[in-house]
Amino acid sequence: GNSVTQMEGPVTLSEEAFLTINCTYTATGYPSLFWYVQYPGEGLQLLLKATKADDKGSNKGFEATYRKETTSFHLEKGSVQVSDSAVYFCALSDLRSGYALNFGKGTSLLVTP
Amino acid sequence: DSGVTQTPKHLITATGQRVTLRCSPRSGDLSVYWYQQSLDQGLQFLIQYYNGEERAKGNILERFSAQQFPDLHSELNLSSLELGDSALYFCASSHDSGNYNEQFFGPGTRLTVL
Repeated sequence: GNSVTQMEGPVTLSEEAFLTINCTYTATGYPSLFWYVQYPGEGLQLLLKATKADDKGSNKGFEATYRKETTSFHLEKGSVQVSDSAVYFCALSDLRSGYALNFGKGTSLLVTP
Repeated sequence: DSGVTQTPKHLITATGQRVTLRCSPRSGDLSVYWYQQSLDQGLQFLIQYYNGEERAKGNILERFSAQQFPDLHSELNLSSLELGDSALYFCASSHDSGNYNEQFFGPGTRLTVL
């Protein structure tokens, strides 16, 4: 079945450092890919998405490119801020799952001043 | 604020009991999804309703059931509760149920089973 694998956290970075959170997926067909962010004590918010191969999703300085050849959707940001501290979830959806989201286990990010 | 509301925010109950969690989707959204977030299982899809009808099922236990009412709000019923049912339960809504529809998440209901 479909699955999403994320790098284990926690990830600790200094402010202004470069961020990469790896995400790979297994799916039949052509899933859509998402990154969601969960701030402490809150629900999930969509950060960015890509619906087909080679699409790049971007938002708030974060980017991820849908790479079908490597089945990956790595999240990157050039310069992180303390306010980016949160848990980041990679997810996919496709027809097979009724378009429900299939999440990775999440990666906790802590950015220190 | 996503526009999705969930009540109650917190729920503490005992093993063997039954509880109902409520979700109101964003105005105009027809689809409601329920997810469970626990430390050991992570975020798991439970069930989806679209315009009052069940559309997809995930890892939902037989002790759990849900429904979506004509006004589109949804309820998740959990019965014969066990300690392992303690988790954060999220509801999400989207306008449609297709692949391009963003899901908006509510703040969650934290269930503690003692």
